[in-house]
Amino acid sequence: EAQVTQNPRYLITVTGKKLTVTCSQNMNHEYMSWYRQDPGLGLRQIYYSMNVEVTDKGDVPEGYKVSRKEKRNFPLILESPSPNQTSLYFCASGPGQGLGTQYFGPGTRLTVL
Amino acid sequence: KNEVEQSPQNLTAQEGEFITINCSYSVGISALHWLQQHPGGGIVSLFMLSSGKKKHGRLIATINIQEKHSSLHITASHPRDSAVYICAVIPYNTDKLIFGTGTRLQVFP
Repeated sequence: EAQVTQNPRYLITVTGKKLTVTCSQNMNHEYMSWYRQDPGLGLRQIYYSMNVEVTDKGDVPEGYKVSRKEKRNFPLILESPSPNQTSLYFCASGPGQGLGTQYFGPGTRLTVL
Repeated sequence: KNEVEQSPQNLTAQEGEFITINCSYSVGISALHWLQQHPGGGIVSLFMLSSGKKKHGRLIATINIQEKHSSLHITASHPRDSAVYICAVIPYNTDKLIFGTGTRLQVFP
């Protein structure tokens, strides 16, 4: 089954404790991306990757890191989480940004205390 | 001002009604996506458009590049269509996605 998986689905942590949210896709897609969704602000792009070892900033990259060492995986790293990073996070993948359907993961709800 | 504006923000309808959701954007784009977010939070891609019109079942999406406007239509609406519908654009010469804030649709039996 074609899918994008994210782990964990729910996470409560404390300020400053490094965390990683994993994202994996099984569709051999070149494009992968991370978004955060906040009430009243909608979805905003954090980082995206057009292929292995190619990453670029979206609209809200501050406080986040990513890496794309393998085509299927695109982890999101919060080196020192802060309460303003409390949000719902989605990973997505697609064959190419403008070229086709984007497949979204189920979301990760992160709370930073 | 947001680069992508959707209207209305909230919409209620009776089952069977014809629904229209609008998306206007202020930048040149290479493509536009319509997404559906279910009450449980999952997001599904409905359409990707760069010109003209696409149809899938009861859903129709149109785009007018010159007017920087797209519409999503739902014919014969059903309570299971209740969701948030989100428009997203890809500005020219970028690989980014910029989203509207969504339209919350509720369809009552």
